[in-house]
Amino acid sequence: GENVEQHPSTLSVQEGDSAVIKCTYSDSASNYFPWYKQELGKGPQLIIDIRSNVGEKKDQRIAVTLNKTAKHFSLHITETQPEDSAVYFCAASKDDYKLSFGAGTTVTVRA
Amino acid sequence: KAGVTQTPRYLIKTRGQQVTLSCSPISGHRSVSWYQQTPGQGLQFLFEYFSETQRNKGNFPGRFSGRQFSNSRSEMNVSTLELGDSALYLCASSPSAFSGANVLTFGAGSRLTVL
Repeated sequence: GENVEQHPSTLSVQEGDSAVIKCTYSDSASNYFPWYKQELGKGPQLIIDIRSNVGEKKDQRIAVTLNKTAKHFSLHITETQPEDSAVYFCAASKDDYKLSFGAGTTVTVRA
Repeated sequence: KAGVTQTPRYLIKTRGQQVTLSCSPISGHRSVSWYQQTPGQGLQFLFEYFSETQRNKGNFPGRFSGRQFSNSRSEMNVSTLELGDSALYLCASSPSAFSGANVLTFGAGSRLTVL
């Protein structure tokens, strides 16, 4: 099955700096790559996603890039704020029914 | 528009018991998926239902089962509970599948503790 690896597992950044989280996937048939943010006591919330026919997508301070050849995709958060502190998960899917998740990255934004 | 609602939010069971968790999807959504979240294994796919039919199943033992009703509400059941079943069980819904503009929306989860 699909294997998604996510790095780093923890990330501490100064407020205002950028944060980058990287993921690799194993199944070249995967074509949908969402990113979820999970805050304490809540379920994962979709923050941005990208499909394999697109190389980059941006939504305000958040951007995702996809390299299909290398089978990796990344999340970029610019001008980080304290409310960006959370656990972030990358995921991949090839069948639009099931997501395979990375292990998660705990992001801490220092004031 | 109400989100995905899961009940109960917290529950404690003992080994050997069984448990049933409930999920009400977003109105109009017909696909419901279940995921198990643990510190050690992360988020693992359990199964997915659409129009009362299981379309996809993860690699979990037969003790884990589910069903979907005609109103798209779903339940999952775990029988003969083991300590390792302690986890956050997440339900997610989408209109049919998360293709095109459709995405998967998660509920807050049901936290199961097995003693």
